[in-house]
Amino acid sequence: AQSVTQLDSHVSVSEGTPVLLRCNYSSSYSPSLFWYVQHPNKGLQLLLKYTSAATLVKGINGFEAEFKKSETSFHLTKPSAHMSDAAEYFCVVISSGTYKYIFGTGTRLKVLA
Amino acid sequence: DAGVIQSPRHEVTEMGQEVTLRCKPISGHDYLFWYRQTMMRGLELLIYFNNNVPIDDSGMPEDRFSAKMPNASFSTLKIQPSEPRDSAVYFCASSLAAAANEQFFGPGTRLTVL
Repeated sequence: AQSVTQLDSHVSVSEGTPVLLRCNYSSSYSPSLFWYVQHPNKGLQLLLKYTSAATLVKGINGFEAEFKKSETSFHLTKPSAHMSDAAEYFCVVISSGTYKYIFGTGTRLKVLA
Repeated sequence: DAGVIQSPRHEVTEMGQEVTLRCKPISGHDYLFWYRQTMMRGLELLIYFNNNVPIDDSGMPEDRFSAKMPNASFSTLKIQPSEPRDSAVYFCASSLAAAANEQFFGPGTRLTVL
């Protein structure tokens, strides 16, 4: 069965410093992986997706993620954090043979001025 | 496109009352999903439809919950009778099968059952 594990429930960074949000996946086949962001009291917005094309995926707002099969990881990064990046981030894998999303538990990003 | 539309945005009701949440998916999308988000359990898939037909309702918590999709542009999630433990944010999402499974989420309905 597919699953994702978000290794940090909370991450704090200073504005202008790099962001790293970690996600490990478990899948018996080549998975489709996503990162979504949820700002307070808002719905979820897609940041980026990996669907077996390029392993380095670029998303919106300067975020990118690298699919590493050998490490079963799909970590989300951004070179320089902005105050507006403060939100909750979800790593998602598609359940095999279905269209069902399997969500990680989320990482809450705090950006300090 | 206006995106996925949900109504109401906020609902406060008393225990035992019927609650109906509504969703309009993005035009042309053939999949529709209902999720529930709570602090304790995170995001849970309740049910999803393909071409208006329920495909998997294994996430529906109990018989008090029901969902329908009478046409391609409208779906409802009904709770009858409601209980305080149903308090949560309910999200609707839609997707196009041919678009690499990206789901588009609505703004959610925050339900409070007193």
